[in-house]
Amino acid sequence: SAVISQKPSRDICQRGTSLTIQCQVDSQVTMMFWYRQQPGQSLTLIATANQGSEATYESGFVIDKFPISRPNLTFSTLTVSNMSPEDSSIYLCSVVGVRDRQFFGPGTRLTVL
Amino acid sequence: RKEVEQDPGPFNVPEGATVAFNCTYSNSASQSFFWYRQDCRKEPKLLMSVYSSGNEDGRFTAQLNRASQYISLLIRDSKLSDSATYLCVVNSGGGSQGNLIFGKGTKLSVKP
Repeated sequence: SAVISQKPSRDICQRGTSLTIQCQVDSQVTMMFWYRQQPGQSLTLIATANQGSEATYESGFVIDKFPISRPNLTFSTLTVSNMSPEDSSIYLCSVVGVRDRQFFGPGTRLTVL
Repeated sequence: RKEVEQDPGPFNVPEGATVAFNCTYSNSASQSFFWYRQDCRKEPKLLMSVYSSGNEDGRFTAQLNRASQYISLLIRDSKLSDSATYLCVVNSGGGSQGNLIFGKGTKLSVKP
């Protein structure tokens, strides 16, 4: 499986500000995803980060709120914009291996005050 | 009906016990099925894929019933280190490689 790192591992932010989360993979991967896990909940897919084109967002998530970059096959960023306390969550990136198996980064724990 | 449903637990069992988790899914087009394990404040980690014929990995046995849209995970001779939340995961079907649907998880606590 790929080795995936995320920065920052955690942050505490003020409402109205934005945070950019980085995801780095140690090998080239075609598909990268961003998930959110709110307290006490399971994972929800935010978007698919596409290399060379715009990200594909799931229902309930929009580009203005969660802009995503994917400049190459090993790196992606997710920005949480104009944050509110409801955005407090763990944000995880993942990559797909063989047979649809997904592997996750360690996550970014975000608290918005 | 929720897309992936699991009993949230918690399941509190003694060491050495056998414990079974069940999961149902709503999308009959789903083609890939998994059990993930998530430790407290950690990311989910793949425990095992689930195949139509059923599969075993050491103390862990996974089964799939496509007709009933039902998945199970059996843990034999449970260890303290098995304490975690177990997530039932299916893909969204329709040829989509990446879109996984996660259950809310079943919490297992193995006691000495």
